[in-house]
Amino acid sequence: DTGVSQDPRHKITKRGQNVTFRCDPISEHNRLYWYRQTLGQGPEFLTYFQNEAQLEKSRLLSDRFSAERPKGSFSTLEIQRTEQGDSAMYLCASSPPRASFNEQFFGPGTRLTVL
Amino acid sequence: GENVEQHPSTLSVQEGDSAVIKCTYSDSASNYFPWYKQELGKRPQLIIDIRSNVGEKKDQRIAVTLNKTAKHFSLHITETQPEDSAVYFCAASPFSNTGKLIFGQGTTLQVKP
Repeated sequence: DTGVSQDPRHKITKRGQNVTFRCDPISEHNRLYWYRQTLGQGPEFLTYFQNEAQLEKSRLLSDRFSAERPKGSFSTLEIQRTEQGDSAMYLCASSPPRASFNEQFFGPGTRLTVL
Repeated sequence: GENVEQHPSTLSVQEGDSAVIKCTYSDSASNYFPWYKQELGKRPQLIIDIRSNVGEKKDQRIAVTLNKTAKHFSLHITETQPEDSAVYFCAASPFSNTGKLIFGQGTTLQVKP
């Protein structure tokens, strides 16, 4: 499968624990996005990377959230001191270089449940 | 702020009928408008998109129209089939260097055989 992959697919954790998710974008896609989707809603933008640089963060991304893309390939999203309100599907998307416009291709997501 | 409104929230049609989903956006500088189809438990799949310099685009049974003046765009599905049943999301990309997408709330389309 040459699409966007995410790991793990499901994560159940207790309130207060830290969790980390990984996203592997499509090869040669230098643009990477994280979104959060709650039940019955559309995805909400969290943050954007171009290569290894984090160029935009949503105000939804509290100081408990941190994302990295150290080598400009895979990315990680960490949530510290999880809260029940963090329960959601976390989606990663990647996009080819600007010349190919803005098509974003989504991964299968990581479903987080905070007990 | 940036916002996309999508209607209706649910839509039920008979197989073979047409379906229309409408979206409005707030940022007049938005320049890219994709539509995604999401089946239960699956990832959103890009089905069609349109850029601000085009008024209409068609791909087989699906088409999208854009009215920049009204800040309004629509998805049209003709000759619907049961496999078209899914949640459809519209999105708009506000003018920025990032290409982030602002999504609508989604429309659950049910096509009855």
